[in-house]
Amino acid sequence: GESVGLHLPTLSVQEGDNSIINCAYSNSASDYFIWYKQESGKGPQFIIDIRSNMDKRQGQRVTVLLNKTVKHLSLQIAATQPGDSAVYFCAENQGVRGGKLIFGQGTELSVKP
Amino acid sequence: DVKVTQSSRYLVKRTGEKVFLECVQDMDHENMFWYRQDPGLGLRLIYFSYDVKMKEKGDIPEGYSVSREKKERFSLILESASTNQTSMYLCASSPPSGGAPDTQYFGPGTRLTVL
Repeated sequence: GESVGLHLPTLSVQEGDNSIINCAYSNSASDYFIWYKQESGKGPQFIIDIRSNMDKRQGQRVTVLLNKTVKHLSLQIAATQPGDSAVYFCAENQGVRGGKLIFGQGTELSVKP
Repeated sequence: DVKVTQSSRYLVKRTGEKVFLECVQDMDHENMFWYRQDPGLGLRLIYFSYDVKMKEKGDIPEGYSVSREKKERFSLILESASTNQTSMYLCASSPPSGGAPDTQYFGPGTRLTVL
């Protein structure tokens, strides 16, 4: 079936380095993608989104890249800080009424001081 | 900012009890969702609603029901709680599809333990 998945379940980086979190999706009809951050004991928090008619979008210290040819999504975090330690989820829409999203399993980012 | 609130952060119930989890959003969103989150299984959709009094089954509706009597409120009901329903429950809301993006905004979660 259609699914959104992440390449790595855990990622450990040094404070100040850049982080790259990857996501593969299989539904070529999806036209909207979202990255969420979930800190321990809290609900997922919206970080950044991108529509399928774009290949890059930048926010504050974060950049999302979309490669539709290989159905790949990535989240880049610049100058990673300890506060960035969390689980990061990608999600894709299904384009049906009700706004259902398909979520990846998540990547746990750990930032070493 | 969108605000989604859930009635309890932590809840402990006994097997067989009827449990109500309440969710309220203040952004006039049409769509609302209930998920459970378990280690290694990610987010799994229980039920969702795209309008008042409308509900649709998600991927794991068994053992749950929902109620949406008002636009801002979406309740999850465990008719007879069981230990395998011990989990983190997350509520989310989003604007109607077709216009605004399908971004879902989440509440803080309710950690339910069934003894």
